[in-house]
Amino acid sequence: DAGVIQSPRHEVTEMGQEVTLRCKPISGHNSLFWYRQTMMRGLELLIYFNNNVPIDDSGMPEDRFSAKMPNASFSTLKIQPSEPRDSAVYFCASSLAGFWGQYFGPGTRLTVT
Amino acid sequence: AQSVTQLGSHVSVSEGALVLLRCNYSSSVPPYLFWYVQYPNQGLQLLLKYTTGATLVKGINGFEAEFKKSETSFHLTKPSAHMSDAAEYFCAVSEPTGANSKLTFGKGITLSVRP
Repeated sequence: DAGVIQSPRHEVTEMGQEVTLRCKPISGHNSLFWYRQTMMRGLELLIYFNNNVPIDDSGMPEDRFSAKMPNASFSTLKIQPSEPRDSAVYFCASSLAGFWGQYFGPGTRLTVT
Repeated sequence: AQSVTQLGSHVSVSEGALVLLRCNYSSSVPPYLFWYVQYPNQGLQLLLKYTTGATLVKGINGFEAEFKKSETSFHLTKPSAHMSDAAEYFCAVSEPTGANSKLTFGKGITLSVRP
């Protein structure tokens, strides 16, 4: 079975541009999580969805960040406008239930110049 | 609220030596506990988990961990380190309430293996 799929794997953009990161969770999983990882701040939970509904977005750093999950098989994380401090690796993870744990995608490395 | 403490940020061992990575947790209910491994430029991979039942759990690549409720610990061990074990390791806790599968992660420990 395919794992969590993220695209693009690498994104380089200029400050002020809009960036959209995409995630396809494992089929059948009902929870989806967006994380950001940097050397300085480590792994941070940005937002998570349960059954396509946002449950907790308290980790979203600013209004520049938004996330959607229009259906069970697709989610996006958008940054508009992007800033150099948004440079990080963004991970998507999905889960079926708490006792299964979360399964992570390979990540998107975002560089904002 | 739940939390995870991974003391230290870096552990270095010789190839063939015992690996011990410590994890202590805080939870208001009996938790689910997880260890994840992250190799360079990759996502996090589930190494092993404790949910209920046997307190000694075995995972992939020869790793195991023991849930000790009295010590609120879930330390990760491997009898003999291999060069390929060099990676970052994260301990995580989840409270088994309803449909919530949110994890609280520790800060991670980098494992280096010396030849």
